Amino acid sequence: GAGVSQSPRYKVAKRGQDVALRCDPISGHVSLFWYQQALGQGPEFLTYFQNEAQLDKSGLPSDRFFAERPEGSVSTLKIQRTQQEDSAVYLCASSLGTGGWSNQPQHFGDGTRLSIL
Amino acid sequence: QKEVEQDPGPLSVPEGAIVSLNCTYSNSAFQYFMWYRQYSRKGPELLMYTYSSGNKEDGRFTAQVDKSSKYISLFIRDSQPSDSATYLCAMRGGGSNYKLTFGKGTLLTVNP
Repeated sequence: GAGVSQSPRYKVAKRGQDVALRCDPISGHVSLFWYQQALGQGPEFLTYFQNEAQLDKSGLPSDRFFAERPEGSVSTLKIQRTQQEDSAVYLCASSLGTGGWSNQPQHFGDGTRLSIL
Repeated sequence: QKEVEQDPGPLSVPEGAIVSLNCTYSNSAFQYFMWYRQYSRKGPELLMYTYSSGNKEDGRFTAQVDKSSKYISLFIRDSQPSDSATYLCAMRGGGSNYKLTFGKGTLLTVNP
């Protein structure tokens, strides 16, 4: 497809379960970002990949959050032992250039809406 | 105080009106300024992308950046019901700084 694809679109889990969220970036995009968007708020940065390297994970809320991009394309955000405060929309974005040294904008997917019961 | 402030609205206007949306920010290192449109249950869609101060026009949309006042605006002319969405401002620094910092978003409704 032409855009960033995320799956599943909706995920409901019980507190304490592990979840995995997938992101397929635009083909050829080097940079990949994950953001968390709480209800009524703007997206907040979680982590950044340049190809397969995770260069910044400073926004991950806790060590229960883990992201990977092993082959430099598809990325997975995993949340272990989910808590109710993890309920949010998780957005993935990709851009053509290498992070900040490029003026290429970030293009977003439609997100995964995660609800923790 | 958050780095980026944006009035969440809601803002309701009649079809054909000129809409003005704005954000203020506190971080003088921001150099790239963006406006995203987000429809309900969809991801943010890039509308305008500007570097440093000045104006940029694209169809019915005009983005303005005033770095001296730390103030950015988005104007929508001849607003349409299809413009009804949440508008998010976003910004980042230059050089190696890639993180986008967003405002809360303004919910706009254009009434037919």
